[in-house]
Amino acid sequence: QVQLQESGPGLVKPSETLSLTCTVSGGSISTYYWSWIRQPPGKGLEWIGYINYSGTTNYNPSLKSRVTISVDMSKNHFSLKLRSVTAADTAVYYCARDVYCPNSICRDYYFDYWGQGALVTVSS
Amino acid sequence: DIQMTQSPSSLSASVGDRVTITCRTSQSIGNNLNWYQQKPGNAPKLLIYVASSLRSGVPSRFSGSRSGTDFTLTISSLQPEDFATYYCQQAYNTPYTFGQGTNLEI
Repeated sequence: QVQLQESGPGLVKPSETLSLTCTVSGGSISTYYWSWIRQPPGKGLEWIGYINYSGTTNYNPSLKSRVTISVDMSKNHFSLKLRSVTAADTAVYYCARDVYCPNSICRDYYFDYWGQGALVTVSS
Repeated sequence: DIQMTQSPSSLSASVGDRVTITCRTSQSIGNNLNWYQQKPGNAPKLLIYVASSLRSGVPSRFSGSRSGTDFTLTISSLQPEDFATYYCQQAYNTPYTFGQGTNLEI
């Protein structure tokens, strides 16, 4: 059973960098894409971006200038950095398993496994 | 970006009712539409993928359909555990986008 677990500081000061890591257990990080998704309190879901096992990334244009997603295959985890945060970045941040790409042919375009979520508050 | 218009935003229903939630996309996306259920304090859970395929382990009272750019999630007979918020999500292209959510209340 695949499990994902987010970790990182729950409080970040304005203008600083939000950093989260998602550790994957029960399966390999290879052959899949892995996404970050966020949800401000009481609001809907926003896709932040994804990364695959080879380091290929794709970011939401609304956040692209401030986001970096990276992967560490040796630790079976991937990470999110969001720079220059403001109060508007306060949200629950989820990591999720995304597209399945065996042999460079991709299918299964959905988020089938999610982490429990990490609340990050931006405040001084 | 592909815009997702989900309706209604909230819905009151009773156990045993049949309910329908609709998601309209701003352009054709084929069948690349997924449905998720989210309960308070929990991550979303995948229910339906590629418009009408039921994820393994999801009760058969959940179903999905498509007509052009209109997608529908139907719950045939509401159970107490179904009261939650439901989201549609397009997986046709990036940025992936979600509907605004439908809060299904007792």
